[in-house]
Amino acid sequence: EILMTQSPVTLSVSPGDSATLSCRASQGIGFNLAWFQQKPGQAPRLLIYSTSTRATGIPARFSGSGSGTEFTLTISSLQSEDFAVYYCQQYNKWPSMYTFGQGTKLEIK
Amino acid sequence: EVQLVESGGGLVQPGGSLRLSCSASGFTFSSHWMHWVRQAPGKGLVWVSRISSDGTNTNYADFVKGRFTISRDNTKNTLNLQMNSLRAEDTAIYYCIRAVTFHVFDFWGQGTLVTVSS
Repeated sequence: EILMTQSPVTLSVSPGDSATLSCRASQGIGFNLAWFQQKPGQAPRLLIYSTSTRATGIPARFSGSGSGTEFTLTISSLQSEDFAVYYCQQYNKWPSMYTFGQGTKLEIK
Repeated sequence: EVQLVESGGGLVQPGGSLRLSCSASGFTFSSHWMHWVRQAPGKGLVWVSRISSDGTNTNYADFVKGRFTISRDNTKNTLNLQMNSLRAEDTAIYYCIRAVTFHVFDFWGQGTLVTVSS
């Protein structure tokens, strides 16, 4: 099973600043990585897929990068609505299932 | 507008059964693979099962294999998850998900809560 490890667990950032979230895969997954945002009481929402492609309606301040085992989600000019939990997910290695990271909570500093 | 509406959750005793359904609208249901993902209270996301667009291909996470069965009715735009031999650790919100290009989870329902407890 491919393990996904996100860091940090919690990130405190001020509105208007940038945030960098990391995700590491236990083995290479090419570019087959997605990022999701989840707010309290809501379902997750797809932000990024194929490492760097923004989903429909996602603002340009969200960007993804990386390949192989190291991936990054960068959120620039943080808005109040961006404070949430973020999950990365690999979808490369079947039958290794689809595995998610444990999440990074982005909170207001 | 794409909509996925789950139903069927509730309280069930250990060893019991429950059938979840997901009603889809706003898109061509029969063209998409569909998935179930669950989230235990206060925990992260865990993939459970998937089914091909025509329903002929199904896959499961090891921890539900032999207990859960995914199915779909493309004439009714409905996805189902039959859950048998439920355990306390199956307690979670279960999300119905549309996938694009098989693997990208591009739209999630609001989820239905399953609680397994005596």
